[in-house]
Amino acid sequence: NAGVTQTPKFRVLKTGQSMTLLCAQDMNHEYMYWYRQDPGMGLRLIHYSVGEGTTAKGEVPDGYNVSRLKKQNFLLGLESAAPSQTSVYFCASSEMGLALFFGPGTRLTVL
Amino acid sequence: DQQVKQNSPSLSVQEGRISILNCDYTNSMFDYFLWYKKYPAEGPTFLISISSIKDKNEDGRFTVFLNKSAKHLSLHIVPSQPGDSAVYFCAALSTSGTYKYIFGTGTRLKVLA
Repeated sequence: NAGVTQTPKFRVLKTGQSMTLLCAQDMNHEYMYWYRQDPGMGLRLIHYSVGEGTTAKGEVPDGYNVSRLKKQNFLLGLESAAPSQTSVYFCASSEMGLALFFGPGTRLTVL
Repeated sequence: DQQVKQNSPSLSVQEGRISILNCDYTNSMFDYFLWYKKYPAEGPTFLISISSIKDKNEDGRFTVFLNKSAKHLSLHIVPSQPGDSAVYFCAALSTSGTYKYIFGTGTRLKVLA
């Protein structure tokens, strides 16, 4: 089992460009999450999903959109990237009320 | 408003001694707590958890203590090893709510050989 995988691992964008980060899990988990990690800020929840076809806002949702068309995939979109979105992005999944399993992260730089 | 706080950004401990990492929370609806360990350039990995119906949970060298009245939890690592050097995050969850896992800002532990 691969667990939680993220694509791409690294990306550099110019301000105003768009991109989609892909998260896939093979554990049949219902719940999926997107976090960003910034120095001194810990892990902050961007958006999450409690099942296929559902999404909900987290702590810092502005500037991001998400979709969960298939149970195993959770996509995070940046429509118009800004330097403030430079961060490391982590996807995670869980079964109801149990431990979160994280992917390896995507390092995004917006110039 | 930070609901989960780790007030110590860093901690240094001698190898073989006890490491104690602390975490405070404000939301009384949280009923499940977790600790994660993170190495550079890797995703966080699950260490240990505790439900609010317990006040202690042990797994090998790791023990988590929960004081609900003080809204405080701590992670004890005994004995500490150089490989334990990492950033540790605590997280809290309300299983009757929205299933949002809320994380603290992390504590960087350095175990000195």
